[in-house]
Amino acid sequence: NAGVTQTPKFQVLKTGQSMTLQCAQDMNHEYMSWYRQDPGMGLRLIHYSVGAGITDQGEVPNGYNVSRSTTEDFPLRLLSAAPSQTSVYFCASSYDSSGGRGTGELFFGEGSRLTVL
Amino acid sequence: AQSVTQPDIHITVSEGASLELRCNYSYGATPYLFWYVQSPGQGLQLLLKYFSGDTLVQGIKGFEAEFKRSQSSFNLRKPSVHWSDAAEYFCAVVNDYKLSFGAGTTVTVRA
Repeated sequence: NAGVTQTPKFQVLKTGQSMTLQCAQDMNHEYMSWYRQDPGMGLRLIHYSVGAGITDQGEVPNGYNVSRSTTEDFPLRLLSAAPSQTSVYFCASSYDSSGGRGTGELFFGEGSRLTVL
Repeated sequence: AQSVTQPDIHITVSEGASLELRCNYSYGATPYLFWYVQSPGQGLQLLLKYFSGDTLVQGIKGFEAEFKRSQSSFNLRKPSVHWSDAAEYFCAVVNDYKLSFGAGTTVTVRA
């Protein structure tokens, strides 16, 4: 099992560019989510999904889009990158069996470090 | 909405000494609480969780946490720390179908 795989690990963008952070999991988890981590702020939820075809917003969704066409993949799209989106991004998935309440253990990828100039 | 607060940004402890990390949660129904650890350059790993029942919860790597409703706390403890425990620790609570994290406490272990 690879677990949760994120690509790329590092990316530098210019303001206004778009890009997609990829996330894939091979554990057949229904619940997937994206967080961003900034110093002194912990992890903040961007978007989450409780199953294929279902997505919802977290605390800080502005500037980001997601889709969930398969159970395995949950890409995060930055539509027009801004310096405020410089951060470390984590994808996490869960076997959550409580109907998507997010109470299961989250399995994290190793993170994607994004710099927007 | 429920949230968690970690009052200590940074703690330094000697190897072999005990460690306690504080976590306070906001008022709500019985909270679902977690502690995660993040080693440098890595993602987060679950240490332990509390849903209900026994208020003293055992986790991996020799950690335990105690849920105290009267104090709205869920503090993490370890009797004797090892150099490998140097990391950042996050308390988290399930909040309306989402997991919300505290700001984290960085633990430094000195020899």
